[in-house]
Amino acid sequence: NAGVMQNPRHLVRRRGQEARLRCSPMKGHSHVYWYRQLPEEGLKFMVYLQKENIIDESGMPKERFSAEFPKEGPSILRIQQVVRGDSAAYFCASSPGEGTSVYNEQFFGPGTRLTVL
Amino acid sequence: QKEVEQNSGPLSVPEGAIASLNCTYSDRGSQSFFWYRQYSGKSPELIMSIYSNGDKEDGRFTAQLNKASQYVSLLIRDSQPSDSATYLCAVDNYGQNFVFGPGTRLSVLP
Repeated sequence: NAGVMQNPRHLVRRRGQEARLRCSPMKGHSHVYWYRQLPEEGLKFMVYLQKENIIDESGMPKERFSAEFPKEGPSILRIQQVVRGDSAAYFCASSPGEGTSVYNEQFFGPGTRLTVL
Repeated sequence: QKEVEQNSGPLSVPEGAIASLNCTYSDRGSQSFFWYRQYSGKSPELIMSIYSNGDKEDGRFTAQLNKASQYVSLLIRDSQPSDSATYLCAVDNYGQNFVFGPGTRLSVLP
């Protein structure tokens, strides 16, 4: 499967626990984006990463949330001390980056549905 | 703060008709525009990108861009019940991320 992969697909956490969401970009893509979608709401940008670099984290809450995209392995979105308001669908997208005419087309993974009890 | 606006719908069209979805954006400097389809409970699926003024056709879909009016639209010809979904307009934010509109819910009636 050459598409964007996310796991787990569903994650249940109790308040105060940590949630760790993983994303493997499409083959050949070097740019990763995380978005959050609350029930019945639109997609909101959280963070944009390239390998080992955070390019833009302007949409990510400054507390409890962090993201990384290491040289090896998937991108990780980490939410510490989860609260009920963190319950949402978290989508990862990837794009090819520079060097193609469609460098900024973003392709989405299936998402992780986080439920905080 | 960039804004992207869409009518939330629902937009109902009969099967076989043309569905017209509209989107306006606030930043005159925006260069890249995208339409996504999202079925309930699923992830957004890229339908089309458009970068230049005018029309771009792909099968039953036509995207139209008018940068002077800050307006982008998506036409779906010969609409099918399987086209019933939420359609999201996205505008590239200077290569940093996408700003998404709230989406228009389309219902194609058999």
